[in-house]
Order: sequence, then structure tokens, then C-alpha cells
Amino acid sequence: QQQVKQSPQSLIVQKGGISIINCAYENTAFDYFPWYQQFPGKGPALLIAIRPDVSEKKEGRFTISFNKSAKQFSLHIMDSQPGDSATYFCAARKGAGAGSYQLTFGKGTKLSVIP
Amino acid sequence: EPEVTQTPSHQVTQMGQEVILRCVPISNHLYFYWYRQILGQKVEFLVSFYNNEISEKSEIFDDQFSVERPDGSNFTLKIRSTKLEDSAMYFCASSYTGSTQYFGPGTRLTVL
Repeated sequence: QQQVKQSPQSLIVQKGGISIINCAYENTAFDYFPWYQQFPGKGPALLIAIRPDVSEKKEGRFTISFNKSAKQFSLHIMDSQPGDSATYFCAARKGAGAGSYQLTFGKGTKLSVIP
Repeated sequence: EPEVTQTPSHQVTQMGQEVILRCVPISNHLYFYWYRQILGQKVEFLVSFYNNEISEKSEIFDDQFSVERPDGSNFTLKIRSTKLEDSAMYFCASSYTGSTQYFGPGTRLTVL
């Protein structure tokens, strides 16, 4: 129940295309869903995050879509660029009432954007 | 922009030795975390620290591990007797509210 399932494991997209990464969770105590971007040899960097009271959040070329009833959320990268090539992790956090702020991460998606 | 820093960037140690990984969180943050990432795998939670005590720890964080915030700025992770399977990237993170967590660049620990 603590797991966050992420797919696909890897993704190759043409420059200018749309990259879509999906995540699913079981634990309804999760109340905060961030996406992190990680370049080789670096720490994860927060990209965008959403709470379950909204269905979509957009920041520039990055959009999170959230489906609370299906317990699924996804990251869409519009107009994908070679500089977007990185590993993307979805994550989920339990609410304060559950006693912890730990993040549970998905297994990651390695995105390659080819020119 | 403030950032989390970690030292050393790479630590090589012999099995059975003690290591201390150091982190300087963002200065006004209140929540501190250690995560690890075995090569090619997902990031895993180890421990969270708030109000000068451990608030939660995972099953990975056994008696060989300890954390300390010795001086109000540093946050350390100690592994008392390293094992081969402790080889991983160790990330420190900090947060003001417990929501947005900012990660450091990591320490690569290699146990020989």
C-alpha cells in the first residue's frame, strides 16, 4: 500500500513531441504528489507538485494531471527538448495527520529526447 | 538561491568501518531527511528529523544508522559498521513545511 507505481521505465521522444509519464498509488492517506527531475550524478530537483483537491496544474511546459478516483497522476512535458533528457520520479507524501512527511518514490522514468 | 550542500561528494570505505556523511540544510528549514539511492534504483526514505528528534524511520534505518544535528546547522548520518550493501548515493533533504523537500547533490558511498 506504500508503493507508487510508475511507467514507463524508459521513454524516447522526438524533439517537440509530448512526453507522458504515469503513476498510480494505493494509499489514500497520500495528500501531496511531487515530480522530481534528476540528471546523472545530481540530486533530485523538484519540478512541479499537486495536491488532490485540483485535477490539473501547469507550470510552463510541464503539466500534472490528477485523477483522484482512479488514484493516478501523470506528468506531461509539452514541446520536449533535448535538455529535458533526465530521469523523472513521481512521489507521494502522507498527510500530517498520518505522522510522517516522508516521500515515497516511484521507480523512475528515463526520458531521452532526440533531436 | 539557498541550497542543500553535502560533503564529501564521494566516500570510499572498507567494510566494517564507520562513516559520517554531512549535510548543511537550507538555513530556515525545520524538517530534515536522509534518503538513499542504490545505483539505477529508486530513491528510498531512510529517516526524518524534526524538533531535534527522529520523527520516522524506515526498516532500512536499523541500529547501524544514526542521525544528529550537532550544532544547529549541520545534519549528519552515521553508519557504524558499513556493509557492502550500504554502497549507494545518500541524499540529504530539507523542508520548511514538510511539503516541498529540497535535495542536496548527494554523497556516493562505496564500501569495499
